[in-house]
Amino acid sequence: AAGVIQSPRHLIKEKRETATLKCYPIPRHDTVYWYQQGPGQDPQFLISFYEKMQSDKGSIPDRFSAQQFSDYHSELNMSSLELGDSALYFCASSTGLADTDTQYFGPGTRLTVL
Amino acid sequence: GQNIDQPTEMTATEGAIVQINCTYQTSGFNGLFWYQQHAGEAPTFLSYNVLDGLEEKGRFSSFLSRSKGYSYLLLKELQMKDSASYLCAEGQAGTALIFGKGTTLSVSS
Repeated sequence: AAGVIQSPRHLIKEKRETATLKCYPIPRHDTVYWYQQGPGQDPQFLISFYEKMQSDKGSIPDRFSAQQFSDYHSELNMSSLELGDSALYFCASSTGLADTDTQYFGPGTRLTVL
Repeated sequence: GQNIDQPTEMTATEGAIVQINCTYQTSGFNGLFWYQQHAGEAPTFLSYNVLDGLEEKGRFSSFLSRSKGYSYLLLKELQMKDSASYLCAEGQAGTALIFGKGTTLSVSS
């Protein structure tokens, strides 16, 4: 079965640079979520989109922005990168907006900021 | 996961049964999820409970008591490949999953 696709899988950036992470949800899933997981930490919710509109916002820094496109893929844009942004970034998708909908996670993008 | 509490680490042997407990805040509760995560990999969905009782899926079962704000994940016939982190996650009003810190399970032979 098709899963969530994330690209790139690994990314190395310098401080103050920008990065763009991409997420392609499972086919026919219209809801996308972004999570950040630091070393030894649990995943922290950043932001979610339903039908191309932002549906919920968590602990996303102002330096980050995201959007969902007409084909339902989503991009997380990160600017003025800091060392503390080094983490695994997961995208998850689900079939709807109900909080009972199961979220299926992609393999993640490992971002390293030097 | 400030509102979710689960043990940090557990150990068990192959073939054994292990129960991982999770307590959560009850206000705004909309379902309890369990995910398995191997180091450096994505969380994998295991189970979901919204009503009280036991949900069984092969070697894995999950239980929920809403009045007590309590859930557990039961793993039977443990295998070495079950060594992983097990994340309890609470569905809140809205769409975010609120994760616990995770329980690292080590299975030895």
